[in-house]
Amino acid sequence: DVVMTQSPLSLPVTLGQPASISCRSSQSLVPSDGNTYLHWFHQRPGQSPRRLIYKVSNRDSGVPDRFSGSGSGTDFTLKISRVEAEDVGVYYCMQATHWPRTFGQGTKLEIK
Amino acid sequence: EVQLVESGGGLVQPGGSLRLSCSASGFIFSSDAMHWVRQAPGRGLEYVSGITKNGGSTYYADSVKGRFTISRDDSKNTLFLQMSSLRADDTAVYYCVRGGSGDYSNWGQGTLVTVSS
Repeated sequence: DVVMTQSPLSLPVTLGQPASISCRSSQSLVPSDGNTYLHWFHQRPGQSPRRLIYKVSNRDSGVPDRFSGSGSGTDFTLKISRVEAEDVGVYYCMQATHWPRTFGQGTKLEIK
Repeated sequence: EVQLVESGGGLVQPGGSLRLSCSASGFIFSSDAMHWVRQAPGRGLEYVSGITKNGGSTYYADSVKGRFTISRDDSKNTLFLQMSSLRADDTAVYYCVRGGSGDYSNWGQGTLVTVSS
């Protein structure tokens, strides 16, 4: 199975400051169709996960433009340009190129 | 509006069985692959199983292979997860998730499975 490794696992950030989460896969996520199926999710306590970014860099509807995704091959990054209070929670990357799908361990973002 | 509603969770003894259901609405169920993802208390997300849109292929995490069976009834817009030989480490909230490789945008609210004597 493809192993997804996130870092850091804990991310204390001051309001208004930037934040960055790394996600690395043990295999390339580029399948034969040329797309890279790497998605990012955000989960608040007691809630279901919500997709933020799909196929590396596409923001979902309603996601603020302070969120951005980038990367290729096996190395991906989620960035928040200026952290706001509502951004707290756990962020997960997930690969949907290979079966079975796999998630990163999660990165817990908290406000300092 | 897309809705995914899981049911069937509960308390079960180790070694027991349980069948989860996910009732889907708001989209053409038969056109999408479907998945189960779980989350143990205080832990991260774990992919459990997936089934292609025609039901022709199924996939499982190693941790559940041979014990869990995913299936679907497109006439009833329902996804199932038959779980057997349950263990304590299967205790989790189980989420139903819609979609092909580029999707995973719709999640249910989850159903809690507790394996304990």
